[in-house]
Formats: sequence, C-alpha cells, structure tokens
Amino acid sequence: AQKVTQAQTEISVVEKEDVTLDCVYETRDTTYYLFWYKQPPSGELVFLIRRNSFDEQNEISGRYSWNFQKSTSSFNFTITASQVVDSAVYFCALSEASNNAGNMLTFGGGTRLMVKP
Amino acid sequence: GAVVSQHPSWVICKSGTSVKIECRSLDFQATTMFWYRQFPKQSLMLMATSNEGSKATYEQGVEKDKFLINHASLTLSTLTVTSAHPEDSSFYICSARVPGGAGNNEQFFGPGTRLTVL
Repeated sequence: AQKVTQAQTEISVVEKEDVTLDCVYETRDTTYYLFWYKQPPSGELVFLIRRNSFDEQNEISGRYSWNFQKSTSSFNFTITASQVVDSAVYFCALSEASNNAGNMLTFGGGTRLMVKP
Repeated sequence: GAVVSQHPSWVICKSGTSVKIECRSLDFQATTMFWYRQFPKQSLMLMATSNEGSKATYEQGVEKDKFLINHASLTLSTLTVTSAHPEDSSFYICSARVPGGAGNNEQFFGPGTRLTVL
C-alpha cells in the first residue's frame, strides 16, 4: 500500500527566509511517480513538479528546488528567499505505476506555509 | 492545454436536496477522471475513479448510492450528492488523467466546488 507523510503540518517563516518542506513516502513498487502541488487560499491545486522513481536528479526551478533521495524515501521541497505569495498549503503525492485504479494519487496531509512580511 | 473546469464553483443547498457537480476536460479527452473530497484543513481524499462508459470505482467507505458518478462522455463526468446533509459540506475536486501523456500518471485538477449544506 502506498502512503505519503508530511510531518510538518504548519510552518511559519519571515519573508526572504529559506524553508524546506519534508515528504516521506512508502511504496512497494519499483516504478512510481512523486508530485508536489500548491493549494493557495482559492483552493485550486497548482501542479509544481513530477518526478519518476528512476530519476534521482535534483531539480531547480527559480526559487524552488527538490531533493529526491530513494535511500531515505524522501522527496523534499525547498523554497529559497520565500515571499508572502508563497503562503499556501503544499501537498506531496505519490502514484504507483502498477496501480490498477488508473494511476490514483495518494496525498500527504499537507503542510501549511505562512510567510510573514 | 490540459484544462479542467468544474461547475458550479460553489453551491449552498438545503438538507435533503441533491446537488450535481460537473467536471469537464476542455481541451483533451479523458477516459479516466477522479473525484476527491477535502474537508477544512485536511488533505484530499480520493472518493472514486470514474471511467468513461463504465461504472465508477468507489473507495472504501464512500457510499455509491449517495455519491452518484456518471462519466457519459470523454469530456464530462458528473458527481451527484443525493439527499445532502450538513456533514457532506466539503470541497469537492475532480481531476482528469491525460491518456498516454508523457508523464503517464499526470492528472490535471479542476478548480474545485465548495458545497455547503444547511
């Protein structure tokens, strides 16, 4: 069974600080996909990144970076020089390639990030 | 591309009435759509997987007779909450899977529908 754990339920930082959101996953599949989504107060999910299990390269996109470590089953997300607009709930999610339910996503509990000016 | 819409964006109804929520894939055909429910300050929980032309697959604990799902075309899936009660008040989000997409497992999410049952 697949499971995603985001241990930090809420994080508060001051603008311009760096912040890392943790994500730990469990799966028995060797092929799987990991995702990060941002959910601002409006509620709409914003896709941030998808990473497949065979690609352990870290990725950087502007102020965002992701650290995928299969050895520790973690897929952490770092925002550098945080801004007030980064305030949102961030979800990590997992999808197993072998899942018979058409690639269903399992979400972590989410981390509420508050960036104060 | 890969835009998913939901209608309505919010709805308030009286207890005992039924509410229909539509999920449309605007620029692609989706053989599979998913329905999620999100209670305040909680995560998204998968309710059911909707497959075009066949019956939906419901997750454990989700009443299929209460949450009717119809995926009648490749671009439309509907969720009907029958005899709604205040405990059904929630944020309902649909997503659509892009068939054969480069990411294989990528889903595109609708903007959500906030249901409030009085």
